[in-house]
Amino acid sequence: EAQVTQNPRYLITVTGKKLTVTCSQNMNHEYMSWYRQDPGLGLRQIYYSMNVEVTDKGDVPEGYKVSRKEKRNFPLILESPSPNQTSLYFCASSFGPRTSGGAAYYEQYFGPGTRLTVT
Amino acid sequence: AQSVAQPEDQVNVAEGNPLTVKCTYSVSGNPYLFWYVQYPNRGLQFLLKYITGDNLVKGSYGFEAEFNKSQTSFHLKKPSALVSDSALYFCAVRDSDMRFGAGTRLTVKP
Repeated sequence: EAQVTQNPRYLITVTGKKLTVTCSQNMNHEYMSWYRQDPGLGLRQIYYSMNVEVTDKGDVPEGYKVSRKEKRNFPLILESPSPNQTSLYFCASSFGPRTSGGAAYYEQYFGPGTRLTVT
Repeated sequence: AQSVAQPEDQVNVAEGNPLTVKCTYSVSGNPYLFWYVQYPNRGLQFLLKYITGDNLVKGSYGFEAEFNKSQTSFHLKKPSALVSDSALYFCAVRDSDMRFGAGTRLTVKP
């Protein structure tokens, strides 16, 4: 079954304790992305990756790191979590742009979400 | 930079009535527009997209959306709402990355 998986689904942690949220897709997608969802703000992009070893900042990258060593995996790392990073996090993937002009018209597939609470 | 706006936080309709969830966009080039739905405790699911061609796009679960270039709008519609359509709906525009609106909560009452 084609899917995007995230782990853990729920996490409660304390300020400053490093954590990693894993994301994996089995659709051979080039493009992967992390979002956080907060009430009234919709989804805001944290980081995205066009392909292996290619990552770039989204709208709200502060306090987060990512890596893309393999095509299927795109972990989100919080080196020193703070309470303002309490949120619902989604990983997504899709096929990437097919033209040099960057036309990117493929829909994204989303993981089930990770609810993170930092106390 | 591209952006979308969803002017309504909440839309309430009665079951069986038509529904519209509004979205307006701003892009510098050709718009690639999407609608997603989020059911409680679930991730986002793709509903439909506009790339080019017919202005009326049909998608999953009986939803459709109308692309209007002059009004820069991409409203989501359904002729007859179901209680099970109650969810959070997001409009999005994509260039190199995807930008989402703030979401509209649709409530369909029996």
